[in-house]
Amino acid sequence: DAKTTQPPSMDCAEGRAANLPCNHSTISGNEYVYWYRQIHSQGPQYIIHGLKNNETNEMASLIITEDRKSSTLILPHATLRDTAVYYCIVSSRGGGSNYKLTFGKGTLLTVNP
Amino acid sequence: DVKVTQSSRYLVKRTGEKVFLECVQDMDHENMFWYRQDPGLGLRLIYFSYDVKMKEKGDIPEGYSVSREKKERFSLILESASTNQTSMYLCASSSTQPGAGELFFGEGSRLTVL
Repeated sequence: DAKTTQPPSMDCAEGRAANLPCNHSTISGNEYVYWYRQIHSQGPQYIIHGLKNNETNEMASLIITEDRKSSTLILPHATLRDTAVYYCIVSSRGGGSNYKLTFGKGTLLTVNP
Repeated sequence: DVKVTQSSRYLVKRTGEKVFLECVQDMDHENMFWYRQDPGLGLRLIYFSYDVKMKEKGDIPEGYSVSREKKERFSLILESASTNQTSMYLCASSSTQPGAGELFFGEGSRLTVL
């Protein structure tokens, strides 16, 4: 399974864009990049995922480099409620045709007033 | 609203006790997962199941077993609880659609083994 590397922590000012980087240099052609976040004392929450094209939804944007070896999650206007641990994950195959996701340690994003 | 429900938010057990953690999902998902989460270690996969009665070991299966008799229910079993199994346990489910992969998590079960 491809591994990911994320900075352990980042800070962002409220109202500014938060750009969270992730390296996944060993990603293979059929693996997706997923992002989750976990707010304290809650279960992780799905944010977005992509294969090779950039993706956007109501929560965030995902920018994947052309060589797919890295990606950036963008929260366009960070709020205090976005303070959380953000996980970048590369999918891997489990049994049969199903997928399992292996979580690393993530990035603690702190949004400051 | 889609939901993954874990039976207990907080449990306190004694060393050597048998512990059952139950998880139920209402989304008709094929895949179900058990993770544990410890400070500084992130989430680690214990077991997962991609079909009824099917299971595969994750990264840290030692000391645990699982049961999936029905599609909606996935149980984690600690045959003889030990203090190093004190942790937050998270259940999740997902669809089998290729590329979908989105995991839906429960709120977690915090287990303390004395």
